[in-house]
Amino acid sequence: DAGITQSPRHKVTETGTPVTLRCHQTENHRYMYWYRQDPGHGLRLIHYSYGVKDTDKGEVSDGYSVSRSKTEDFLLTLESATSSQTSVYFCAIKRIQNSPLHFGNGTRLTVT
Amino acid sequence: TQLLEQSPQFLSIQEGENLTVYCNSSSVFSSLQWYRQEPGEGPVLLVTVVTGGEVKKLKRLTFQFGDARKDSSLHITAAQPGDTGLYLCAGEPDSNYQLIWGAGTKLIIKP
Repeated sequence: DAGITQSPRHKVTETGTPVTLRCHQTENHRYMYWYRQDPGHGLRLIHYSYGVKDTDKGEVSDGYSVSRSKTEDFLLTLESATSSQTSVYFCAIKRIQNSPLHFGNGTRLTVT
Repeated sequence: TQLLEQSPQFLSIQEGENLTVYCNSSSVFSSLQWYRQEPGEGPVLLVTVVTGGEVKKLKRLTFQFGDARKDSSLHITAAQPGDTGLYLCAGEPDSNYQLIWGAGTKLIIKP
């Protein structure tokens, strides 16, 4: 299995509070992704990174920001959490463009 | 906006039966990937198909890419309880590298 660790695995927070999710990889892969998974929607891309300090928006980026200061870490921040951001968040990595994604085991976030 | 429609959304069958899951689009993909996801875990790649008409087999699972590279199917023969899970298809468009995901098929195989 690809070395991907997501933390925390579970988080309950209140509306309006900031939340940061962490993805850590030990594979030295260039590409890293944040997805959210909701019933009936499959996986939706939030943000992605193609190198240190190189990030771009996905299809559902509103309300989220990311940072990648080191190859191994990709952080997802919800500046002010809302109930609509209750979801399961997955980090994924891949080595080169035409290679498959390897996923972490997800973070279940509940915003009350 | 490119879409990948996956059907059925949910399927519950008895052990030993056969089933087929479909992924359809009006867009062309350079490749199509199938993933399987178990509860509490991330999706895991099963197979990638890249050539129109390509058929790949993984034990009792048969994957096919349509001739026009717009659709794909997953056929499971003699399903077993261990096949239970969420099956996701994802297409890689010709124009860019971000995957387009189907909504998933939740499969339950009853013993």
